[in-house]
Order: sequence, then structure tokens, then C-alpha cells
Amino acid sequence: DIVMTQSPSSLAVSAGETVTINCKSSQSLLSSGNQKNYLAWYQQKPGQSPKLLIYLASTRESGVPDRFIGSGSGTDFTLTISSVQAEDLADYYCQQHYSYPLTFGSGTKLDI
Amino acid sequence: QVQLKESGPGLVQPSQTLSLTCTVAGFSLTSYNVHWVRQPPGKGLEWMGVLWNTGGTRYNSDLKSRLSISKDTSKSQVFLKMNSLQTEDTATYYCAKTSYNNYFDYWGQGVMVTVSS
Repeated sequence: DIVMTQSPSSLAVSAGETVTINCKSSQSLLSSGNQKNYLAWYQQKPGQSPKLLIYLASTRESGVPDRFIGSGSGTDFTLTISSVQAEDLADYYCQQHYSYPLTFGSGTKLDI
Repeated sequence: QVQLKESGPGLVQPSQTLSLTCTVAGFSLTSYNVHWVRQPPGKGLEWMGVLWNTGGTRYNSDLKSRLSISKDTSKSQVFLKMNSLQTEDTATYYCAKTSYNNYFDYWGQGVMVTVSS
């Protein structure tokens, strides 16, 4: 199974700051066939279901603000939230969609 | 418009069987895969298993002996059955649809299940 290690587990920032969340996989998520990285990011606000933000490491889902940026390749990935807003208060999870079983990181709680 | 909605009992007694239904709309179960994901209170997300559009299944190895996922395509419903429930199975259970690349693009609202006598 691919183990996803996410850091930090929590962080507190002020509105307007830039936030970086890290996700490391125990195996490469880079497909040799198409050179794409199979890593997704989700946002889960209190009391809500997770919401897809980013897939294939850096492709923003339709309707997601451009302040959410996914980057990285191989085993090391980053979600950057620039100019954080109060509405970004949530838990964030990475997920590898490279192989079964699908696995998630342990989550990062963002306080604003 | 794609929608998924879970339904089932909120309380299950220890050692009993959990039965949940995911009713979908806006897509066909013969074209897309539907998964079950659970989240214990205050904890992270755990992938439980998938029902592929072909009707095949794959389960989390930690749950495989207790879990069964099936569907009724005519009713656009996916079913989860898990036996021998314990208190550690207390969680919010979500059904979710994946894209062709296995990321979860749509989620249900979730159903909270408490295992307690």
C-alpha cells in the first residue's frame, strides 16, 4: 500500500498570508506512460463532505479559486494557498489516485 | 447534475450488520465507479472499497472479510454491507464517485453511524 505522509498536522495563519501544506508518498506517483502525477487535494470544511480542489498534482478543479496551487512530482507534493481567506478554514487532505488501495494523508487543519 | 446521497440507520448494535444505501443521480453506474469512504469522529478519511462500473469490486484489505458492496443499476443504488460491527466502526460513511483517473470528484453528504449498545 502507498503510505501518504502529510505535514504539518495543523497550522494557524492570518488572513492574507500564504500557506504551504506538504504531502509525501512512500512510492512514486509519476506514471511512466503519460508523465502525470496521480495526486489529489481535498478541502473539508466543518460539518461538510470533502471537496475536490486539485487532481493530477496540479490541475485545479473547475470553480476552485486560483489561489489554490498544487505542485510537486514523484513522491513530494505541495498545496499552496496564497492570500488565505477566512473561508479557507478547513481540513485539507492529499490522496494518491495512482493505485489501489486508494490512500489519504492524515490531514492538515488550517486555522485562521 | 451529479448527486449522491447516503441513507441508513444512525445506530447499530455491536456485532450487528451495517447496511447503507447510496442513491445516485446524474450519471450511470454502468459508466462510473462508486466508492465508500469513512471518517471516524475527529479523524481522517479511510477508503473502504469500490464498485466498478463493470460490477466488480475491490476492498480495503483491513475490511475485506467483513465488507460487501453491490448495486441495483435499475434503481441507481449502491449498497454497503459490513458485518461484525465494533465501536471503532463508528464513523461518517460517504459514498463518492470517481473520475476515470480515480480521484473523487463528487461526494455524498455522508451518514453518521454510531455503534453502541
